[in-house]
Amino acid sequence: GAGVSQSPSNKVTEKGKDVELRCDPISGHTALYWYRQSLGQGLEFLIYFQGNSAPDKSGLPSDRFSAERTGGSVSTLTIQRTQQEDSAVYLCASSPRGAGMTYEQYFGPGTRLTVT
Amino acid sequence: GDSVTQMEGPVTLSEEAFLTINCTYTATGYPSLFWYVQYPGEGLQLLLKATKADDKGSNKGFEATYRKETTSFHLEKGSVQVSDSAVYFCASSGQAGTALIFGKGTTLSVSS
Repeated sequence: GAGVSQSPSNKVTEKGKDVELRCDPISGHTALYWYRQSLGQGLEFLIYFQGNSAPDKSGLPSDRFSAERTGGSVSTLTIQRTQQEDSAVYLCASSPRGAGMTYEQYFGPGTRLTVT
Repeated sequence: GDSVTQMEGPVTLSEEAFLTINCTYTATGYPSLFWYVQYPGEGLQLLLKATKADDKGSNKGFEATYRKETTSFHLEKGSVQVSDSAVYFCASSGQAGTALIFGKGTTLSVSS
């Protein structure tokens, strides 16, 4: 079946602009996660959704970062007033279940964000 | 807090050599443990997992055993191939259902 998809695959933006990154999880997966992968920091957790709720937003680095999920499916990560340090690969993952059980997470191909 | 530490790379091996990539974890509970692999130009893929102490995960000739007494989950393969060249990430589940905690990744390069 279809895996996790993300769009765009690459995004180049000017410092100060807003960007939106999209994630389509595997159908039926109730848990959705956003991570950021950068050279200096490795893989960092950003936010976790269970359904449309976000019980864990502890990884969002600043209030410029926000995310939402609608219909228990598609999620959008928004970065406002982008800075050069936001340049990274943003990864989305989904999992069949969330709290109370541990299932492996399936990752999308990522969106490479470059802020110039 | 919970953390995962894995050996720094790069690891450079000849084809058919034995591979070990060390991984240790700290956790307040009993996490599940994972190895993910990222081939050049591709996304993260689950390689294997173990959900409780003494479990052995295996896939594609790779193995790792969940050792609670040493808080370790070392990845091993008896005979590596050029196609195994990739970045390997050890991860812990943290609390069930929440974020994965990743090690920094180990780059493996296998030459023929």
